[in-house]
Amino acid sequence: SAVISQKPSRDICQRGTSLTIQCQVDSQVTMMFWYRQQPGQSLTLIATANQGSEATYESGFVIDKFPISRPNLTFSTLTVSNMSPEDSSIYLCSVTDRGGETQYFGPGTRLLVL
Amino acid sequence: GDSVTQMEGPVTLSEEAFLTINCTYTATGYPSLFWYVQYPGEGLQLLLKATKADDKGSNKGFEATYRKETTSFHLEKGSVQVSDSAVYFCALRVYSSASKIIFGSGTRLSIRP
Repeated sequence: SAVISQKPSRDICQRGTSLTIQCQVDSQVTMMFWYRQQPGQSLTLIATANQGSEATYESGFVIDKFPISRPNLTFSTLTVSNMSPEDSSIYLCSVTDRGGETQYFGPGTRLLVL
Repeated sequence: GDSVTQMEGPVTLSEEAFLTINCTYTATGYPSLFWYVQYPGEGLQLLLKATKADDKGSNKGFEATYRKETTSFHLEKGSVQVSDSAVYFCALRVYSSASKIIFGSGTRLSIRP
């Protein structure tokens, strides 16, 4: 299984600012994803981070609000831009194993926007 | 579209009780099915999975059988422990969209000593 780390683990931010979350994997992976888990709710896929090309966003999420980078096969960043209190969530990085069958999740970044 | 519906919580049981958390799905084709668990203050962990009809996934005393005829993947455990207190998510992988996973709403389980 892949070991995934995220930075920061938590943050408190002011509205209107931006935060960049980093995701590091201990091995090269093909697929990387970013999810959001709003308080008391399930996980929602934000986008698939594609290495060397633009991320693929799910309905309801746009690049201007959630720009994503993936410079190589072990690292990705998600930026939450122009934050509002509604962006307060846990943001999770996720990868699939080599067979693409099982998905593993990072510990998450807890974001509170005041 | 593809979706997962699971039993609403919270579910509260006494230690050593039998547990069932219901999960049904709607999907085109033949998805893979998963149960993930999120312990308090921790990240999401894969608990078990099944990739085809009639497969049984099992781990840590938990079991779930992929039932194609009823489109279900109910989670069961014969004797729960306090340490099983967590939020459980049923999920499916959409075969047509490589590795995209769709989650149910989650069921919070609390076990009383």
